[in-house]
Amino acid sequence: AQTVTQSQPEMSVQEAETVTLSCTYDTSENNYYLFWYKQPPSRQMILVIRQEAYKQQNATENRFSVNFQKAAKSFSLKISDSQLGDTAMYFCAFAGAGSYQLTFGKGTKLSVIP
Amino acid sequence: DAMVIQNPRYQVTQFGKPVTLSCSQTLNHNVMYWYQQKSSQAPKLLFHYYDKDFNNEADTPDNFQSRRPNTSFCFLDIRSPGLGDAAMYLCATSREREAFHEQFFGPGTRLTVL
Repeated sequence: AQTVTQSQPEMSVQEAETVTLSCTYDTSENNYYLFWYKQPPSRQMILVIRQEAYKQQNATENRFSVNFQKAAKSFSLKISDSQLGDTAMYFCAFAGAGSYQLTFGKGTKLSVIP
Repeated sequence: DAMVIQNPRYQVTQFGKPVTLSCSQTLNHNVMYWYQQKSSQAPKLLFHYYDKDFNNEADTPDNFQSRRPNTSFCFLDIRSPGLGDAAMYLCATSREREAFHEQFFGPGTRLTVL
């Protein structure tokens, strides 16, 4: 069974600064997908960024980028130029390539401070 | 805008009194999922529908049932809610089941059991 671990329950960052959220996972599969989802207070969860394990290049979406280290089974999220709207719960998630099931970590609560 | 809608946003029920949560989507997606998210925990998949085919997760209690009368709607029925069923219930959809396909989430229904 896969597990996803987010070791930082809460983090804070000053507006305009950069913050990195950590995620590690455990799997015996070779092909899979990794995701970061954002859940703002009282709003729906949305996909921030997705990484395919067979792609060596790290995914980037505007101010969001990942550092994917397959051998270390690490998948961290970097948020650059943090904005107040980035305040949210961030979930790291794993899915095997042939699977529908997302395995989520427990989340990191990020607060962006003005 | 295409979206996933959940009603009600907040639901209070009494111990043992059946309750139904509703989810609708305008995305015309084939797959609809129900997750349970308890406080400070990761979302946990209860079951999903692929078109009309119901797929239950092995550890989902029998107390939880689901119906999908058409492509747009899916219901979560809790036959006899216990105090331990108090949680946020998230509905999600995806075009297809494979992990590559993004899941789109609704805002959730927070269930309180008195």
